[in-house]
Order: sequence, then structure tokens, then C-alpha cells
Amino acid sequence: IAGITQAPTSQILAAGRRMTLRCTQDMRHNAMYWYRQDLGLGLRLIHYSNTAGTTGKGEVPDGYSVSRANTDDFPLTLASAVPSQTSVYFCASSRGEAHNEQFFGPGTRLTVL
Amino acid sequence: GEDVEQSLFLSVREGDSSVINCTYTDSSSTYLYWYKQEPGAGLQLLTYIFSNMDMKQDQRLTVLLNKKDKHLSLRIADTQTGDSAIYFCAESPTYSSASKIIFGSGTRLSIRP
Repeated sequence: IAGITQAPTSQILAAGRRMTLRCTQDMRHNAMYWYRQDLGLGLRLIHYSNTAGTTGKGEVPDGYSVSRANTDDFPLTLASAVPSQTSVYFCASSRGEAHNEQFFGPGTRLTVL
Repeated sequence: GEDVEQSLFLSVREGDSSVINCTYTDSSSTYLYWYKQEPGAGLQLLTYIFSNMDMKQDQRLTVLLNKKDKHLSLRIADTQTGDSAIYFCAESPTYSSASKIIFGSGTRLSIRP
């Protein structure tokens, strides 16, 4: 693989269910991010990780958790999904330097009913 | 506070120039970015400008930065149908201990014949 991948591509989920969105990068980037994109609201940062073993909260962290056990993987978990979490989720990664170009995955479209 | 603002829509005629505007609030931002999102895809970095520059030109793209007014613009010359996309302005605040980028809500550029 080259770049950053996400799985699944799309998912329909019943409210209350647990769901993990997967994200993997092969660029050996230090930093990784999870965003949600909603119409008219742009991209909002959910959680981020500056380096393996560390994570931080973004703008809208409630209802989501992340882990960063290694450099390549950064899964996002919804412990108990709610309809307001219906969105398109993007994972991104960057070197974490001053010029912080972020590389984005193709996105996961999640619908919570 | 952190806020990046841009208008939601822009419509231009094919062959004309497109100008997308953005205002930001954090004067400490070292880099300012323009990302492009094509339908069904993640964001890709289009261009960026370092904060000590006033202008940057790259083929059909011209970025203008007015630090005094905290205003950033992206001009696309000879706009083509392939330029139809959502364009995101973003800033990289230097105060942040995390390698975060603050995105605007995106401007949807549509091209009419």
C-alpha cells in the first residue's frame, strides 16, 4: 500500500452499537488525526496523536476514543453510536513538523440509525 | 480563539479567474494552506504559503497573504471544469504544542459553461 488507507469505506450502524474505524499509513509519519466532515461545518478534529503512544483531544472528542499502539495504525472507536455521529470520517497523517502537510485517507461514510 | 472563515459557495464561468477568500484569527500561524477536495475523496494539499511571504505563484495558482488583515486568497487563473471541488483554507498555529491544523468550512467552487 502507498499512503493512507481507511476501512470500511461505508457503514450503516444501529444506534447503541460499538464501531471501530480503521486507519493505516505506511509513510512512517509521526502524527495522525481523525476528523469528521459535516455539511457547512467543514472539518472538525476529533482526536490526534503526535507520536506513537500518545493521543490528544481535538475539537469534538466526546463519544470517541483512539489508541496509537504503533506508528502505522490509528483506530477510532465509537463505544455506543448515536445518530449525531452520522458523518464522513477522515483519517490523516503528517510528519508533525512546522510545515505540517497532512495526507488524507479516502474517508469512511458512517450512518447511525 | 481559533477560527478560519470562508464563504461556502463560488460560481464562475469556465475560462474566468476564480478568487477564493479566507480570513483567519491566529497571527502566530507560520504556514497557511489551501487544500482541495474532489467529490468522494479526501483532501489534498494544493499549495501553501509561509507567513513571511506576501505572494506565491504556482502555474495557474496565486496565493496572496495580507498579514495585517489576516486575509488569505487563492486565485485560479483560466478556471477549468476539473477545478470543480471544495477548497479549504487552513492555518497552522505555532502556539499549539500539537501539530494541528485549523481548517475553514470550505468553499464549493462550481464552474458554469
